[in-house]
Amino acid sequence: AQKITQTQPGMFVQEKEAVTLDCTYDTSDQSYGLFWYKQPSSGEMIFLIYQGSYDEQNATEGRYSLNFQKARKSANLVISASQLGDSAMYFCAMREGRRNGNQFYFGTGTSLTVIP
Amino acid sequence: DVKVTQSSRYLVKRTGEKVFLECVQDMDHENMFWYRQDPGLGLRLIYFSYDVKMKEKGDIPEGYSVSREKKERFSLILESASTNQTSMYLCASSPRKGKETQYFGPGTRLLVL
Repeated sequence: AQKITQTQPGMFVQEKEAVTLDCTYDTSDQSYGLFWYKQPSSGEMIFLIYQGSYDEQNATEGRYSLNFQKARKSANLVISASQLGDSAMYFCAMREGRRNGNQFYFGTGTSLTVIP
Repeated sequence: DVKVTQSSRYLVKRTGEKVFLECVQDMDHENMFWYRQDPGLGLRLIYFSYDVKMKEKGDIPEGYSVSREKKERFSLILESASTNQTSMYLCASSPRKGKETQYFGPGTRLLVL
């Protein structure tokens, strides 16, 4: 079974509008972490936001917020007031602790295009 | 400022060549990872290392080997490159435990002709 599922291969959003990128995850661990990364066309992976499984508040970082619904095992990324520079691939990832250290699992990504 | 560097941004090789991709991190991280990224498939783990000379296979280790002789350096080796290994290769590092993210290198786009 997939550890991380991103069901939206591509998304479009009008500039200045908000957009939600979906992510569901699968784990039996009690302690885990959820991450979102942005990958522009240059290829670098940019860390955006983190949510710990025990964090009760949804994480926020500037225009990024993570809508964490633990019972539904979802961790959607919300980008408010979209900008042209937000056009990129977005990856959801999960960290699980293992004997030899943290393991990370990635979704297949969502390509976001911001339309002027 | 944390730093993960990869030896090449772009690489063109011939089928059958031995290819070395090198990754260096300056954060004293125990864990280092090599991923392959292909359109529609996301990041797939090739190998990871949790200590010097220690390694574990990831999801797609076939056709690859790795070497970690020093803590800061993790090398990915394609023993005999094939066209289906044309891809983007990303190196990452992280502390063994804790809440920190992985830190990624800039990636190497490898073309095997």
